[in-house]
Amino acid sequence: GNSVTQMEGPVTLSEEAFLTINCTYTATGYPSLFWYVQYPGEGLQLLLKATKADDKGSNKGFEATYRKETTSFHLEKGSVQVSDSAVYFCALLNAGGTSYGKLTFGQGTILTVHP
Amino acid sequence: GAGVSQSPSNKVTEKGKDVELRCDPISGHTALYWYRQSLGQGLEFLIYFQGNSAPDKSGLPSDRFSAERTGGSVSTLTIQRTQQEDSAVYLCATTSSTRPYEQYFGPGTRLTVT
Repeated sequence: GNSVTQMEGPVTLSEEAFLTINCTYTATGYPSLFWYVQYPGEGLQLLLKATKADDKGSNKGFEATYRKETTSFHLEKGSVQVSDSAVYFCALLNAGGTSYGKLTFGQGTILTVHP
Repeated sequence: GAGVSQSPSNKVTEKGKDVELRCDPISGHTALYWYRQSLGQGLEFLIYFQGNSAPDKSGLPSDRFSAERTGGSVSTLTIQRTQQEDSAVYLCATTSSTRPYEQYFGPGTRLTVT
């Protein structure tokens, strides 16, 4: 079956520090990979995605590269801000060639950024 | 509407009561998913709708849970005879036919069973 494993949190950083949140997955075929973010008191928002091997998703200074050889999709940001404090979820979607796909999520990583 | 909306935002109910949770998708979005977010289990898929049909109900945890969708739009998730373990945030997500792999989530309904 499909599964996603994220690095355990919480992660606490100072403003302008470099961020990495590790994510690895297990899936058959060629899943699409996603990072979702949940800000305090808000719903899940799609942060970035990659649909095939070696694709790099990027948004709001965050990046993640789909590495099929290591089955990974690590999230990175060069300089975090206090406003990046949130819970980050790695997820995969294994559509199997159809247009439907339920998301399989990692357990989430809480990020807190201090001024 | 501009985004997925869900109601109520919070629901407190007594054990054994039935509850209905509502999801209003983004206008024109054809696919609709329900997920549950709980402390012990993380984020779990419950059910998927394409139009008014539910081809995948595999995530519904028991026969106390059911869902329907009418007019290819609004969906209702019903939990009968609620139990304390049903306490969670219930999330709805929808996708368009042009971007079927990008799911847009509503703010969720926080259900507390006392």
